[in-house]
Amino acid sequence: DIQMTQSPSSLSASVGDRVTITCRARQSIISFLNWYQQKPGTAPKLLIYAASSLQSGVPSRFSGSGSGTDFTLNISSLQPEDFAIYYCQQSYSTPPTFGGGTKVEIK
Amino acid sequence: QVQLVQSGAEVKKPGASVKVSCKASGYSFTSYYMHWVRQAPGQGLEWMGIINPSGGSTHYAQKLQDRVTMTRDTSTSTVYMELSSLRPEDTAVYYCVREYRVYTQNWFDPWGQGTLVTVSS
Repeated sequence: DIQMTQSPSSLSASVGDRVTITCRARQSIISFLNWYQQKPGTAPKLLIYAASSLQSGVPSRFSGSGSGTDFTLNISSLQPEDFAIYYCQQSYSTPPTFGGGTKVEIK
Repeated sequence: QVQLVQSGAEVKKPGASVKVSCKASGYSFTSYYMHWVRQAPGQGLEWMGIINPSGGSTHYAQKLQDRVTMTRDTSTSTVYMELSSLRPEDTAVYYCVREYRVYTQNWFDPWGQGTLVTVSS
């Protein structure tokens, strides 16, 4: 199984801040990396697929980058509705595996 | 619109089985693989397995393969996940999620609303 490691595990930020979340794979996964957002009591929601493609309907302040083993999710200007937990997921090989999550909290 | 609607919450005793359903609508049911993912309280996401709704073939996570069974009913566009020999550590929210694939890339979208399964004596 491919282990996915996210950092930080949590962060505090203010509205308007730029936020960066990192996801690292134990081996190269090329660009087979997806990002999800989960708010309390709800199912995860797809934000970014194939490392850098923005899912339809997702605000353009979200962006993804990276390839190989190192990936980032950026939120250019944090909004109140962005406070949530973010997960990366590799789709390079079975079983698909998730990072441990990054909780974005209000400062 | 594409939608996955799951069955309601369940409370089970240790050793029992649970069967969760997931009804798909808004797309061709047999054209997309379906996965199950679970999330223990306050924890991360764990992949459980996949079913091909077209032929019914399955592949399960190694740690669950002796206890999980995924099936489908094409007449009602519904997939099922049955977990047997339940343990307290199986307490979790269980999600069905469609795999969307473009060439070799694939991702999970959408997700069902989740079904809470509580295992307690």
